[in-house]
Amino acid sequence: DAGVTQSPTHLIKTRGQQVTLRCSPKSGHDTVSWYQQALGQGPQFIFQYYEEEERQRGNFPDRFSGHQFPNYSSELNVNALLLGDSALYLCASSSGTAYNQPQHFGDGTRLSIL
Amino acid sequence: AQSVTQLDSHVSVSEGTPVLLRCNYSSSYSPSLFWYVQHPNKGLQLLLKYTSAATLVKGINGFEAEFKKSETSFHLTKPSAHMSDAAEYFCVVTRMDSSYKLIFGSGTRLLVRP
Repeated sequence: DAGVTQSPTHLIKTRGQQVTLRCSPKSGHDTVSWYQQALGQGPQFIFQYYEEEERQRGNFPDRFSGHQFPNYSSELNVNALLLGDSALYLCASSSGTAYNQPQHFGDGTRLSIL
Repeated sequence: AQSVTQLDSHVSVSEGTPVLLRCNYSSSYSPSLFWYVQHPNKGLQLLLKYTSAATLVKGINGFEAEFKKSETSFHLTKPSAHMSDAAEYFCVVTRMDSSYKLIFGSGTRLLVRP
């Protein structure tokens, strides 16, 4: 039973570029959430997708956008990259959006901005 | 607003001795509380969750946590530390009317000495 898978594992970009990160949820899960984890900090919620719609958004600018596909996989897009966007980006999946449903995390994509 | 405070950024124990990782939460509503563990260069793994059932929650790998409403605490314990327990631990809160996002503490790094 495959867990949450993310690609790529590492990525290096320069300021001003655009990046797309990908996530496949755990089998049987239909909800995907994205988190940003800066070095030495806890993850920060970016947004969540359910039924191909963004359900809630954290305190992130519009440069961060996403998409969910009919097979429940998801993409995170970041435009006009800044040095401060360097972080580990984590994808988490769950079954439904109930508050007590545990979220299962992938190993993340390490994004470095030069 | 909800928040969690992890009282220790680093905890160091000897192998075979008890582990205590402290967490206090703030929530205007009935919270759900989780502990996640993150090993180096890995995503987060759920250790245990509290969702208003029994106040003493047992998790994986011998960890448990006790929900104390009067103290607004959810401390994580383990009777005997193992070298493989060395990792970053995150206390997490969410609430019934904000089902989408997990709010993470800043993390506690557990060091286990041989």
